[in-house]
Amino acid sequence: AQKITQTQPGMFVQEKEAVTLDCTYDTSDQSYGLFWYKQPSSGEMIFLIYQGSYDEQNATEGRYSLNFQKARKSANLVISASQLGDSAMYFCAMREGGRRALTFGSGTRLQVQP
Amino acid sequence: GAGVSQSPSNKVTEKGKDVELRCDPISGHTALYWYRQSLGQGLEFLIYFQGNSAPDKSGLPSDRFSAERTGGSVSTLTIQRTQQEDSAVYLCASSLGAGGVETQYFGPGTRLLVL
Repeated sequence: AQKITQTQPGMFVQEKEAVTLDCTYDTSDQSYGLFWYKQPSSGEMIFLIYQGSYDEQNATEGRYSLNFQKARKSANLVISASQLGDSAMYFCAMREGGRRALTFGSGTRLQVQP
Repeated sequence: GAGVSQSPSNKVTEKGKDVELRCDPISGHTALYWYRQSLGQGLEFLIYFQGNSAPDKSGLPSDRFSAERTGGSVSTLTIQRTQQEDSAVYLCASSLGAGGVETQYFGPGTRLLVL
């Protein structure tokens, strides 16, 4: 079974609108961390936001927020007020238990239209 | 401050040759990671270093792949007898290594093409 599933290969959003990128995960560990990274066409992976499995509040970082639904095992990324510079690939990743390795989803390509 | 740096940025080699890829982590980061990003396999973990030791090598795909880290800083990923399926972007990341969230910060990658 896939550990991280991103079901949207591509998404379009109008500039200034909000967009939600989906991520579901599968783990039997009680302790885990979920990360979102952005990869522009330049190729570098840019850390956006983190949610720990024991965190009671949804994480927020500026225009990024994470809609964490533990019972559903989902960790969707919400980008508010989209900007043209948000056009990129977005990856959801998980770190399980004591492991340091990240397991990545297949990514979602977001295109922001003017 | 300087981020993670990798060299070379691009490497073209012939099948059967050996290649070395270098990673220089963020200063003060004791944990270092190698990942591979390819069209067919997505982003895959290869190896994790804490200091100079590698407690997790579970992602190395074959014994042609090896990595070392010296002085708790620079790391080299070596691929021997390269194959065409080794063509990918090799990404290095580092983190503080102190436990907790351990956010990994990535370098720009080395794009490897095996002809």
